[in-house]
Amino acid sequence: AQSVTQLGSHVSVSEGALVLLRCNYSSSVPPYLFWYVQYPNQGLQLLLKYTTGATLVKGINGFEAEFKKSETSFHLTKPSAHMSDAAEYFCAVSERGFNKFYFGSGTKLNVKP
Amino acid sequence: DTAVSQTPKYLVTQMGNDKSIKCEQNLGHDTMYWYKQDSKKFLKIMFSYNNKELIINETVPNRFSPKSPDKAHLNLHINSLELGDSAVYFCASSQDVGEISKTGELFFGEGSRLTVL
Repeated sequence: AQSVTQLGSHVSVSEGALVLLRCNYSSSVPPYLFWYVQYPNQGLQLLLKYTTGATLVKGINGFEAEFKKSETSFHLTKPSAHMSDAAEYFCAVSERGFNKFYFGSGTKLNVKP
Repeated sequence: DTAVSQTPKYLVTQMGNDKSIKCEQNLGHDTMYWYKQDSKKFLKIMFSYNNKELIINETVPNRFSPKSPDKAHLNLHINSLELGDSAVYFCASSQDVGEISKTGELFFGEGSRLTVL
């Protein structure tokens, strides 16, 4: 089975600063990779995903993530944090050929004015 | 027009009671899921149905029984509720994109917060 590790359950940045949320997965075969965002009292929304092709993927709200096979990582970044980015972020993987998704434990992003 | 809708949004009940949560998706997706999110925000798959057929059952107690009357609906019935069942339950759906690569991102409902007293 897959496992997903998100380093840091809480990350705090100042408005305008770089956002970096870390995600590592365990798999011998590159899976499909996702980042979801959850705002308070809401369901999860897809930010971006990697399936094949270019390893740097861009998502909504200025976020992007890079798939690094050698590091089994899929870290999420945004050059300049905005107050509205404060939310919980989940990394997820699914095995190729299966509709089964594994989620990390989430990282709560706090943005300070 | 809500893509994945689940009701009720909040549910407070006593231990030992039976309750149901309903989910409907209007996206035409083939696969639907139930996830449980605990107080630490950890998301765990409970069930998955593909075209009304159960394909994933992740060691969930028998007290939990999913029912899929058609591929647009996946309901969750819980018998003899326990304190540990308190959580937010999310319904989700995804679309199979073909035989070679079955991956579609998940579309989530807004969640149903269950509190067992």
